[in-house]
This record gives sequence, structure tokens and C-alpha cells, in this order.
Amino acid sequence: SAVISQKPSRDICQRGTSLTIQCQVDSQVTMMFWYRQQPGQSLTLIATANQGSEATYESGFVIDKFPISRPNLTFSTLTVSNMSPEDSSIYLCSVEKGYTFGSGTRLTVV
Amino acid sequence: QKEVEQDPGPLSVPEGAIVSLNCTYSNSAFQYFMWYRQYSRKGPELLMYTYSSGNKEDGRFTAQVDKSSKYISLFIRDSQPSDSATYLCAMSGGGGADGLTFGKGTHLIIQP
Repeated sequence: SAVISQKPSRDICQRGTSLTIQCQVDSQVTMMFWYRQQPGQSLTLIATANQGSEATYESGFVIDKFPISRPNLTFSTLTVSNMSPEDSSIYLCSVEKGYTFGSGTRLTVV
Repeated sequence: QKEVEQDPGPLSVPEGAIVSLNCTYSNSAFQYFMWYRQYSRKGPELLMYTYSSGNKEDGRFTAQVDKSSKYISLFIRDSQPSDSATYLCAMSGGGGADGLTFGKGTHLIIQP
């Protein structure tokens, strides 16, 4: 299974600012997925990121709020823009098949 | 109705007991079923992966899928305190090409 390195592991941010989360995979993968886990809730898919094309967003998530980059087959970033306290969550990335996850980014917005 | 229903617990059992964790779902397109274990402040760890209906065993863990009832189960035999974690069921229709739909997770406590 692929090994995914995700950073930062946690951050505390001021409202109105943006945070970029990075995921690095130890092998080439076509598809990467970004999830959000709100406090006490399950994981919710934010978007699917294919290399070489625009990310596909799930209902309730928009590109202006969660822009994603996928510059190559081993790397992706998710930006949480113009943050509010409601964005306080754990953000996780995953890859196709293998179904492995990064260790998550615990974001607190104050 | 949510697509995947899972009792959040907590479920507390004594060490050595057999644990049964369950999820129900409504989307008949789901064909791939997974169970994840998540420790506090960690990412989910894949435990079991099953395609379509049937049973799959791996050590102390057995996963069952009944597509006719839209019901999946995870059994843990000889439970250990180290099994204390949140267990998440997840499913998809595309076998790796789709994102996953998760249950809410069951918080399991194994009492020494």
C-alpha cells in the first residue's frame, strides 16, 4: 500500500486567513481524495484530484473555498481559504485503490 | 436518511469478548466495503476490504457483507485493550476510482 506523508499535522489559524495542506505519496497514483472530519462526525469527501485535470468537488464544497492543486502523480495540496471557526476540522488525503490515508491535519480556527 | 448508518456507541466490552460492529446502507450501487480503525489523533487505518457479498477473515477480524439486506458487519474475536478505538465502515461503488462514503464510526472500549 502507498505511504502518504501529510503536513502540517496541526495548526491554529486566525479567521480570514488561508492554510495549505500538503500530501506526498511514495508512489505514483492517478487519483487522490481529500476528506474533512468535523468534530464528532465521520469523514466527508471534499473533492477528487486527478493529475492533469481540474478537481471534482462534492456537493457543498466549492473551488473558491477549497482550491486543490495536483502538479504531479505523487503530490497534492488542499487550501482552506478565508477560514472561519466552522472550518475547524481534521483534513485527510487518501489515494486510489490501497485506500490508505494520511495522518491528517488538525485545524483549529480562532 | 443518511447513506450509511452506524451506531456511534460507545460500545464497552470486557477483554476476550467477541465484538460485533455493524453498518446499514441505502445505496444499492455500493459494491466495495471497508472497515477502518482510527485511534485518537491518527488517520484511519484500513482493516478489512471486501468486494460484494460474503465473508472475509484476517486473523481475529471477520468482515461480512449482506448486499440483499444492505448490512455489513465486523467481528473481532478475543478482543484486546489495544483494540479500543473508533471503527469506521466505508463503502464505494467504483473500487478505488471513487471516493468513499463513511459511517459515523463506533467508539469501542475494551475493558481489561
